[in-house]
Amino acid sequence: DTGVSQNPRHKITKRGQNVTFRCDPISEHNRLYWYRQTLGQGPEFLTYFQNEAQLEKSRLLSDRFSAERPKGSFSTLEIQRTEQGDSAMYLCASSPKSGLTASYGYTFGSGTRLTVV
Amino acid sequence: GQNIDQPTEMTATEGAIVQINCTYQTSGFNGLFWYQQHAGEAPTFLSYNVLDGLEEKGRFSSFLSRSKGYSYLLLKELQMKDSASYLCAVRDTGGFKTIFGAGTRLFVKA
Repeated sequence: DTGVSQNPRHKITKRGQNVTFRCDPISEHNRLYWYRQTLGQGPEFLTYFQNEAQLEKSRLLSDRFSAERPKGSFSTLEIQRTEQGDSAMYLCASSPKSGLTASYGYTFGSGTRLTVV
Repeated sequence: GQNIDQPTEMTATEGAIVQINCTYQTSGFNGLFWYQQHAGEAPTFLSYNVLDGLEEKGRFSSFLSRSKGYSYLLLKELQMKDSASYLCAVRDTGGFKTIFGAGTRLFVKA
């Protein structure tokens, strides 16, 4: 397993367009998280999946954002009608179910850098 | 509410010791993490504390006081490659989401 994989690495889009990002977590990890990070800030929680179930979604997330994790494997994050304020690094992370491995934290992907022009 | 505070920037000399402090006020607590993030890269896990006390891992140590809502990360024998942002993060009750601080940018000078 090569870790958490995110595609694309970079995305430049015009305001108003829709974009979709993909995340492939570590295969043994049943928990998957999406975060957004802007320059000089820490990652901001967006949403979380346990297997295929989306268990929590940030109140900061507008209706333009949607995430899916069909079959509990890879996940996609879609942003509709992009705005310049959506420009950020979108990070995906995965972790195993809590228990003996609870101390290992997240494994992050390299992120998708979105620029809305 | 959720609040995690850490200094914005710190500077230290190669070979020295530096302590990065973190205070938190969160609605739930199920562990505190420190992550390292080099510019343009994803965060990588450094340490985890869930009980009070000191956890040591090579040149890095992390301390937690739950009653004070306080943690610190101690880096010894600093190397130039330690120049990075260090993120303090608290995992919510139930072990679901983790809330991150804004990070402390550490500059190591020769």
